[in-house]
Amino acid sequence: NAGVTQTPKFQVLKTGQSMTLQCAQDMNHNSMYWYRQDPGMGLRLIYYSASEGTTDKGEVPNGYNVSRLNKREFSLRLESAAPSQTSVYFCASSEGGGAEGYTFGSGTRLTVV
Amino acid sequence: EDQVTQSPEALRLQEGESSSLNCSYTVSGLRGLFWYRQDPGKGPEFLFTLYSAGEEKEKERLKATLTKKESFLHITAPKPEDSATYLCAVQGWGNQGGKLIFGQGTELSVKP
Repeated sequence: NAGVTQTPKFQVLKTGQSMTLQCAQDMNHNSMYWYRQDPGMGLRLIYYSASEGTTDKGEVPNGYNVSRLNKREFSLRLESAAPSQTSVYFCASSEGGGAEGYTFGSGTRLTVV
Repeated sequence: EDQVTQSPEALRLQEGESSSLNCSYTVSGLRGLFWYRQDPGKGPEFLFTLYSAGEEKEKERLKATLTKKESFLHITAPKPEDSATYLCAVQGWGNQGGKLIFGQGTELSVKP
């Protein structure tokens, strides 16, 4: 009954620090996504993985890297955090091409000071 | 470039006062148009997918409709628990990997 699980829920980083956001889904979905949500900007796609073993850039990939560790897990890494990366990050998954809708996690609220 | 614009940005209604939210879109070949509900501090929750002009879908007090240029989310006799941000997104046939392009959302507040 878990769906998509994201950790951590909250994080404060200093400029230049690195961290990895974790995401895992238990629905056997093929596709996984990372979005960021900022006030007035809506949800913007950072990276996605259409299937295990593949990753592609989305709309705003600069400053981020991803790893599709296996079918269940898709992590997002910030190598050197910047204040512009302060945001709420959402992981999502879908079966196949996504026409049936995404299932989203509950988000990670990241503040970079 | 695929694009989604939602209006209004915010909408305040009295309980029982019906209204509609608008989602205008441009996409190179619509594969699907999606509506999501997002409560504060939570991830978006899937509501509907519409695939072709003329299609309608309903869920409780919500009804989504689709034309070739826009979609409407009609809310009939809303209740305070319908208060949330409603997000519209499109998926084009040219998008690889099932990517969705989201609008900025409409924040709905229903007062008792």
